[in-house]
Amino acid sequence: RKEVEQDPGPFNVPEGATVAFNCTYSNSASQSFFWYRQDCRKEPKLLMSVYSSGNEDGRFTAQLNRASQYISLLIRDSKLSDSATYLCAVNLNSGGYQKVTFGTGTKLQVIP
Amino acid sequence: DVKVTQSSRYLVKRTGEKVFLECVQDMDHENMFWYRQDPGLGLRLIYFSYDVKMKEKGDIPEGYSVSREKKERFSLILESASTNQTSMYLCASSSLSGNQPQHFGDGTRLSIL
Repeated sequence: RKEVEQDPGPFNVPEGATVAFNCTYSNSASQSFFWYRQDCRKEPKLLMSVYSSGNEDGRFTAQLNRASQYISLLIRDSKLSDSATYLCAVNLNSGGYQKVTFGTGTKLQVIP
Repeated sequence: DVKVTQSSRYLVKRTGEKVFLECVQDMDHENMFWYRQDPGLGLRLIYFSYDVKMKEKGDIPEGYSVSREKKERFSLILESASTNQTSMYLCASSSLSGNQPQHFGDGTRLSIL
């Protein structure tokens, strides 16, 4: 089993739709979690951290389910500009340093 | 805002050349990372460093080395470039304190001919 897994998609959704992605992780000792957005041929950019109680930033909501070992990202009222690949990142402190594992990403295409 | 700067956006080199990729961050971060990203394979960690002059191998260190002489600078070296090292190279940095996210540079798209 991969350490971090994401459905590669693509998810094709109409403008205004709500879409959700999941990211599963295998190490139950993982400590912090993040969502990144990556546009084509660009670097990943931090979208939001994921907190235990769940958190929201505008149209974006992130949640953590430790029992089932996954995080989720919900995008409401999708915009064309949301089209991108969304990467999850899972952080584990191991041997005194930070070990971050990234998922391979879920591609979102928002259609007019 | 965190600023991670990579020396080149695009680079073309020849097989067998020694290639240097430079990365500088301005946030006094302890941790610095080098990844390569290829279609379908995601981000793969080459090397990382958590302090000056310290380095650790990542998942795919073969054919690469690194140097960290100053806290703000982390260099990736391709000792003898090969065509299978054509890729997008991404540098990242993060703070050692707490569970902080990594911040990436713009990336270097390297082609080895």
